Amino acid sequence: AQRVTQPEKLLSVFKGAPVELKCNYSYSGSPELFWYVQYSRQRLQLLLRHISRESIKGFTADLNKGETSFHLKKPFAQEEDSAMYYCALLNSGGSNYKLTFGKGTLLTVNP
Amino acid sequence: DTGVSQNPRHKITKRGQNVTFRCDPISEHNRLYWYRQTLGQGPEFLTYFQNEAQLEKSRLLSDRFSAERPKGSFSTLEIQRTEQGDSAMYLCASSLGDGRYNEQFFGPGTRLTVL
Repeated sequence: AQRVTQPEKLLSVFKGAPVELKCNYSYSGSPELFWYVQYSRQRLQLLLRHISRESIKGFTADLNKGETSFHLKKPFAQEEDSAMYYCALLNSGGSNYKLTFGKGTLLTVNP
Repeated sequence: DTGVSQNPRHKITKRGQNVTFRCDPISEHNRLYWYRQTLGQGPEFLTYFQNEAQLEKSRLLSDRFSAERPKGSFSTLEIQRTEQGDSAMYLCASSLGDGRYNEQFFGPGTRLTVL
């Protein structure tokens, strides 16, 4: 069965410090992974996906199949990065593309 | 473009009552998903539609739950004989096309409280 693990419920850093939000997954097929973000009082939105290999708002994430990880990183955190972050794995079996989410990490960036 | 909308945003009901939620996806999106999120958890998949066809239901969806998507447009999720354990945020998402790279856009959710 597929599973996504985010080991940290809470993460607190100071502005300008590097930040890394951890995500590990378990999946028998070829994984497709995403990071979703939810800012205060806003809806869940896609931050980035591994297949795009892009940097969004200074965040990057590299898929490491050997370690089954997809950690989210940013070299210099900003206060506006404070939000709930969810790692998600796409189940692409058959024609269903449902997402399996981790429990989320609440990032707080202090001034 | 207002994105995915959900109504109501909040619902408080007594145990044993029936409730119905509505989701309006982005207009051209043919795929529609329902997820449930409880406190301290990430969203969990409930069910999925492609156009008007309900193609998969999670084991989380007991027989008290039913979802429809008539005409492949808006969708409704009904919970009969609500229980306190049904209290959660119910999220709807939609996506375009049948490709695996299409982003799922989420609505604001309906928060259900069962007293």
